[in-house]
Amino acid sequence: GAVVSQHPSRVICKSGTSVKIECRSLDFQATTMFWYRQFPKQSLMLMATSNEGSKATYEQGVEKDKFLINHASLTLSTLTVTSAHPEDSSFYICSARRGTGANSPLHFGNGTRLTVT
Amino acid sequence: GENVEQHPSTLSVQEGDSAVIKCTYSDSASNYFPWYKQELGKGPQLIIDIRSNVGEKKDQRIAVTLNKTAKHFSLHITETQPEDSAVYFCAAAGNQAGTALIFGKGTTLSVSS
Repeated sequence: GAVVSQHPSRVICKSGTSVKIECRSLDFQATTMFWYRQFPKQSLMLMATSNEGSKATYEQGVEKDKFLINHASLTLSTLTVTSAHPEDSSFYICSARRGTGANSPLHFGNGTRLTVT
Repeated sequence: GENVEQHPSTLSVQEGDSAVIKCTYSDSASNYFPWYKQELGKGPQLIIDIRSNVGEKKDQRIAVTLNKTAKHFSLHITETQPEDSAVYFCAAAGNQAGTALIFGKGTTLSVSS
């Protein structure tokens, strides 16, 4: 069964509003979670690394003030897309590593399809 | 940083044939190489992974091989079935905890019956 739960699966919002996406690790604790973005027929691009209890680490080119990440507990990370615009429409996917080692399997949520009108 | 190249971008096979997808990576420090299968509208699902201390790993119809010297690894699917049709991604990661996976561009596999 699923080990990472992501909610909502789909969201449509108006331009200028903010949207929050939740990512939960089920039955395990994740000190680190990762947020990816995927455009149609393209690969997964890492946006940021979410660290429990500390600031997220953003990849080059990703605006930290636009994509707010909060990893308040060992089982929950949230991504908030602030002041969303149509170009933010995409498939956002979170992931968490089950286990503490770098080689522990990385499991993904089922993604959130964001459409900004 | 790490760069992962994946080929081919599309692959069409007949049911029962084998399919092979190849990836290369650039960072010699990478030592973890998973493969994911992604169906339309869903998140990637881990199907098999291999670590740098192993040259080959098999799980039923799926196998992965790794050549650390050449920095390439491959996914082999035998006796393909229509339900194997999906997008497959290879990835690579380093050996530090908290290191993110870097993905290849994906291969769209179509298995026709």
